[in-house]
Amino acid sequence: DAGVTQSPTHLIKTRGQQVTLRCSPKSGHDTVSWYQQALGQGPQFIFQYYEEEERQRGNFPDRFSGHQFPNYSSELNVNALLLGDSALYLCASSSPTSARHEQFFGPGTRLTVL
Amino acid sequence: QQQVKQSPQSLIVQKGGIPIINCAYENTAFDYFPWYQQFPGKGPALLIAIRPDVSEKKEGRFTISFNKSAKQFSLHIMDSQPGDSATYFCAASKGSGGSNYKLTFGKGTLLTVNP
Repeated sequence: DAGVTQSPTHLIKTRGQQVTLRCSPKSGHDTVSWYQQALGQGPQFIFQYYEEEERQRGNFPDRFSGHQFPNYSSELNVNALLLGDSALYLCASSSPTSARHEQFFGPGTRLTVL
Repeated sequence: QQQVKQSPQSLIVQKGGIPIINCAYENTAFDYFPWYQQFPGKGPALLIAIRPDVSEKKEGRFTISFNKSAKQFSLHIMDSQPGDSATYFCAASKGSGGSNYKLTFGKGTLLTVNP
């Protein structure tokens, strides 16, 4: 059983560009959350998707947007990239059959903005 | 405002020692407290979690102690091994039947277990 998968593994962009990151949840999971982890810090919640809708959002600007597809996979889009957007972006999924608090993380996408 | 404060920032112990990592939270609505382990280049992996209706939970060599009145919880690693060397994060979330399950993380503790 594959866990949470994310693509790409690494990405290098320049300031002002746009980026799309992808996540496939663990089999049987329907809720996807995205987190940003700056170097040496704990993950910070960006937003969460359930039933193809954004259900909750953290303290991130509108440059950060997302989408969830009918197969529960999800995308994170960041527009007008800033140097400060350089971070590890983590996707986490959770199951409808167990406590929804239990979130399982993917390996992340390392984004570098030059 | 940092809602979950974690200490120490780093910790070095000898093999077999019992490292203890502490966290304190502010929001009394939090009702789920997990610990995650993260190795370099990897995503966080759920280790153990506790809810506020119990004061202690053990899973293998990992134990969470929870003090609801003090709004504190801690992770103990028994008989620590060099393979336990990683960054550990405490987290907290609240949920009341809706979809409000976002995790709020501490800043992490870098644990080094020397052989």
